[in-house]
Amino acid sequence: EAQVTQNPRYLITVTGKKLTVTCSQNMNHEYMSWYRQDPGLGLRQIYYSMNVEVTDKGDVPEGYKVSRKEKRNFPLILESPSPNQTSLYFCASSGRDRVARETQYFGPGTRLLVL
Amino acid sequence: AQSVAQPEDQVNVAEGNPLTVKCTYSVSGNPYLFWYVQYPNRGLQFLLKYITGDNLVKGSYGFEAEFNKSQTSFHLKKPSALVSDSALYFCAVRDPGGATNKLIFGTGTLLAVQP
Repeated sequence: EAQVTQNPRYLITVTGKKLTVTCSQNMNHEYMSWYRQDPGLGLRQIYYSMNVEVTDKGDVPEGYKVSRKEKRNFPLILESPSPNQTSLYFCASSGRDRVARETQYFGPGTRLLVL
Repeated sequence: AQSVAQPEDQVNVAEGNPLTVKCTYSVSGNPYLFWYVQYPNRGLQFLLKYITGDNLVKGSYGFEAEFNKSQTSFHLKKPSALVSDSALYFCAVRDPGGATNKLIFGTGTLLAVQP
């Protein structure tokens, strides 16, 4: 089954404790992105990757890092989480050709609470 | 700058009645437009898209959307609402000429269908 998986689904942590949210897709997609969803703001892109070892900032990258060492994985790293990073996080992927890029597939989301 | 507006935070409709969830956009050039749905505790699911061609687009679960270039709108519609349609709906736009695959999302509209 084609899917995007994220782990963990729920996470409670404390300010300053480094954490990683994993994202994996099994569709051999080149494009992967991270979004955060906040009430009244919709979804905003944090980082994206157009292929292995190619990453770039989205609209709200402050406080986040990513890496793309393998095509299927795109982890989101919070080196020193702060309460304003409490949010619902989504990973997404899509193919590279013109048609495949048209539809992004989203993971189930990771709900993060930073105390 | 590209943007998407969903003017209604919530739409209430009785089961069996037609429903409309509104979306307007602002983008230079020809937009790629999307609707996604988010059920409680679930990720985003793709509903439909407009890329080019017929202004009336049909999607999953009986939903359709009408692209209106003169009014810069892409309203989501369904002839007969079901209680199970109750969810959070997001309109999104992508710049077809953009180097990234970023989606710009609206703030979301909560659809509540009463039995």
